[in-house]
Amino acid sequence: NAGVTQTPKFQVLKTGQSMTLQCAQDMNHEYMSWYRQDPGMGLRLIHYSVGAGITDQGEVPNGYNVSRSTTEDFPLRLLSAAPSQTSVYFCASRPGRGPGTGWGNQPQHFGDGTRLSIL
Amino acid sequence: RKEVEQDPGPFNVPEGATVAFNCTYSNSASQSFFWYRQDCRKEPKLLMSVYSSGNEDGRFTAQLNRASQYISLLIRDSKLSDSATYLCVVMDSSYKLIFGSGTRLLVRP
Repeated sequence: NAGVTQTPKFQVLKTGQSMTLQCAQDMNHEYMSWYRQDPGMGLRLIHYSVGAGITDQGEVPNGYNVSRSTTEDFPLRLLSAAPSQTSVYFCASRPGRGPGTGWGNQPQHFGDGTRLSIL
Repeated sequence: RKEVEQDPGPFNVPEGATVAFNCTYSNSASQSFFWYRQDCRKEPKLLMSVYSSGNEDGRFTAQLNRASQYISLLIRDSKLSDSATYLCVVMDSSYKLIFGSGTRLLVRP
């Protein structure tokens, strides 16, 4: 069971370049999300999805796009990389999508993270 | 004001010590509470959920005070392997997880 798989693990970009961070889970989880973690800031939610075809913005969505064409995959796209997007990015998933599914205390599974540097 | 606030530490304690971390949250409509552990340059992992009546898992005890909007984590008989950053996490009313910035624990021999 691979869990949540993120690729790449490390990436260096130049300002203005675009790229896609990949995230895949094999647990049939409906809820997936992307976070960034910066020193002293904790994890901040970028975008999330409650199921295939549904995405929504989190706390810091500007400069990022997501899509959820399948249950398994939730890629994060940087449209035009900026130095302020230098960070560690985590993808996460959990079983349920909303009220009434008994998922409130289900653990959220995280990928290993992608360390991204923008020069 | 941050939605979830923690003392960043570090807390530097000897092996065998008891150490407590506190966390406050600002949204009274928050509905679920967790402690996560994060090792250096690794992903966060769930340590334990926090229930209103308080709960214990081995050497770890979590408490929730809804009236004061306060969560605590107590670690007894600290081990070297407990050295990590402990993240207080709150689920808001729209089911999003809000993370504190973490409290760093260093357990020395």
